[in-house]
Amino acid sequence: SQKIEQNSEALNIQEGKTATLTCNYTNYSPAYLQWYRQDPGRGPVFLLLIRENEKEKRKERLKVTFDTTLKQSLFHITASQPADSATYLCALARMNRDDKIIFGKGTRLHILP
Amino acid sequence: SAVISQKPSRDICQRGTSLTIQCQVDSQVTMMFWYRQQPGQSLTLIATANQGSEATYESGFVIDKFPISRPNLTFSTLTVSNMSPEDSSIYLCSVAPLSGAEAFFGQGTRLTVV
Repeated sequence: SQKIEQNSEALNIQEGKTATLTCNYTNYSPAYLQWYRQDPGRGPVFLLLIRENEKEKRKERLKVTFDTTLKQSLFHITASQPADSATYLCALARMNRDDKIIFGKGTRLHILP
Repeated sequence: SAVISQKPSRDICQRGTSLTIQCQVDSQVTMMFWYRQQPGQSLTLIATANQGSEATYESGFVIDKFPISRPNLTFSTLTVSNMSPEDSSIYLCSVAPLSGAEAFFGQGTRLTVV
């Protein structure tokens, strides 16, 4: 069955350092890989999308890589700040009729001041 | 983009009762999605709500337990029927206006069944 794994349940990073989160998947061939941020008591908020034919995508302090051979995506937050503390979700989607998006469990990121 | 209004934001319900969650979108969308998120778990898709046809349910979810309405292109409801404590969870509605592109979520409904 399809499976998405995010590297750890929780990650503590010192303020100013780069936080790197990992997303691995099996039994799936996504057309898109997405990253979302979720704060407590709120719905997920979209951050970045990367297509299967793209290697890297950047947006301000965020960078996402996508390796379809390794079936892995890395999500980087550079110059991390305490306000970056949240749960980050990896999600996969295909260009199918059903257009379903499948989510990983998420990684709780804590940026320590 | 899409703005989604979901209500109620939270509720505490008695075992055996039913709760209907409403989801209103500020634009017309073909498909709306209902997810469940249990503590420490990923978002699990319950069903896809299509306007003008029956909802499509994922494995493990049935219409009798989670009936869905989709009367028009901007509104949907999910009912959690005959609730038990195992139904305590966060329920989220979502839309993805463009195929394969970003999804937008409501703020979620935190349901506690006692």
